[in-house]
Amino acid sequence: GAGVSQSPSNKVTEKGKDVELRCDPISGHTALYWYRQSLGQGLEFLIYFQGNSAPDKSGLPSDRFSAERTGGSVSTLTIQRTQQEDSAVYLCASSLSGRGGGETQYFGPGTRLLVL
Amino acid sequence: DQQVKQNSPSLSVQEGRISILNCDYTNSMFDYFLWYKKYPAEGPTFLISISSIKDKNEDGRFTVFLNKSAKHLSLHIVPSQPGDSAVYFCAASADNAGNMLTFGGGTRLMVKP
Repeated sequence: GAGVSQSPSNKVTEKGKDVELRCDPISGHTALYWYRQSLGQGLEFLIYFQGNSAPDKSGLPSDRFSAERTGGSVSTLTIQRTQQEDSAVYLCASSLSGRGGGETQYFGPGTRLLVL
Repeated sequence: DQQVKQNSPSLSVQEGRISILNCDYTNSMFDYFLWYKKYPAEGPTFLISISSIKDKNEDGRFTVFLNKSAKHLSLHIVPSQPGDSAVYFCAASADNAGNMLTFGGGTRLMVKP
């Protein structure tokens, strides 16, 4: 498919466990973003990768959250020692260059994370 | 502190009438504004955008209006269709802050047949 894909689509885990969420951006897009949407809330920016530049991690809520992007393509968001407040839909988006304001970001379907 | 606010969590409109969704922002550095539409269990999809140098952008049934002095924008959908029923998110970006988007909390639009 040509769109952004994410896996798994749903993840249920126990408090204290680590989880990894995967994002495959649109081929050729150099910019990749992670957001999360908690219940009843808007989307909250987490982290942004643009080409080979150092990622913008300013939105990560704690040091339990980390993300990497291998080979400029696939990205993995890791949450260590999950807490119940981490339960949310985690959305990945990609855009062509990540430069210039207003560039359209294309979103994946999200991973629904539930921490029990 | 929410930089982008959508004060109406929901809106119900009759099919064929106009839907008006509102959005307010506080950060004067925002220079692009976007509207995304989200269906349940799907990711948001881009709908329409506007640069801060404009005050109106139109695309078919969708028009976005920007009032910079009031830090307010609105999305007009006319005529509204049942398929427009979704959650609409207003988002903003600042060119000097990369391309990350700051989103409002969303407005659930219900278009009744």
